[in-house]
Amino acid sequence: DADVTQTPRNRITKTGKRIMLECSQTKGHDRMYWYRQDPGLGLRLIYYSFDVKDINKGEISDGYSVSRQAQAKFSLSLESAIPNQTALYFCATSDRTGGSQPQHFGDGTRLSIL
Amino acid sequence: DQQVKQNSPSLSVQEGRISILNCDYTNSMFDYFLWYKKYPAEGPTFLISISSIKDKNEDGRFTVFLNKSAKHLSLHIVPSQPGDSAVYFCAARVEGGSEKLVFGKGTKLTVNP
Repeated sequence: DADVTQTPRNRITKTGKRIMLECSQTKGHDRMYWYRQDPGLGLRLIYYSFDVKDINKGEISDGYSVSRQAQAKFSLSLESAIPNQTALYFCATSDRTGGSQPQHFGDGTRLSIL
Repeated sequence: DQQVKQNSPSLSVQEGRISILNCDYTNSMFDYFLWYKKYPAEGPTFLISISSIKDKNEDGRFTVFLNKSAKHLSLHIVPSQPGDSAVYFCAARVEGGSEKLVFGKGTKLTVNP
């Protein structure tokens, strides 16, 4: 079983709809992140959370919101989807111990907004 | 403004030869640099990292070199194998404990048998 699970893996929806992407992890990590990747571009950070009560905006948070329901669950919402939010979305986790602890990624959600 | 740059979108090498992937950065406040590998339909997987106080880190076939004065790092894969064919992302961590990573655009490596 994957350590970081994203659902759904693929989603097609219409402009104006509310969408929620979910992420759950079994790694026991405190820190969770949401990124988006656009074709030909690197990953860009949307939001990150260091624990259930700590939510922070990343570089491209406009149009998105998040909820950390539990240590293991971090969901990303698009309140009113627009076509330029079509992208590949990744959830990641990392350990709190710092140093060079890498982030561990889920397999992504491919979101298309028509 | 792009803080982490991978100027080569693609690289093709022969099996058994060396692959060298390059990355440049502009922010002196990065304290760790990481390389991730990504296969299609999968998430990025961590490959190797280097602290900003080091100039080399080696793990098996993979070596990362850091030149702080030039703000440049490179990933060497020796010998290259067809299974190494993937997109490689360079990432830099912002100093200060936020664990935020800034990614380059990636380089697609193809290793030909």
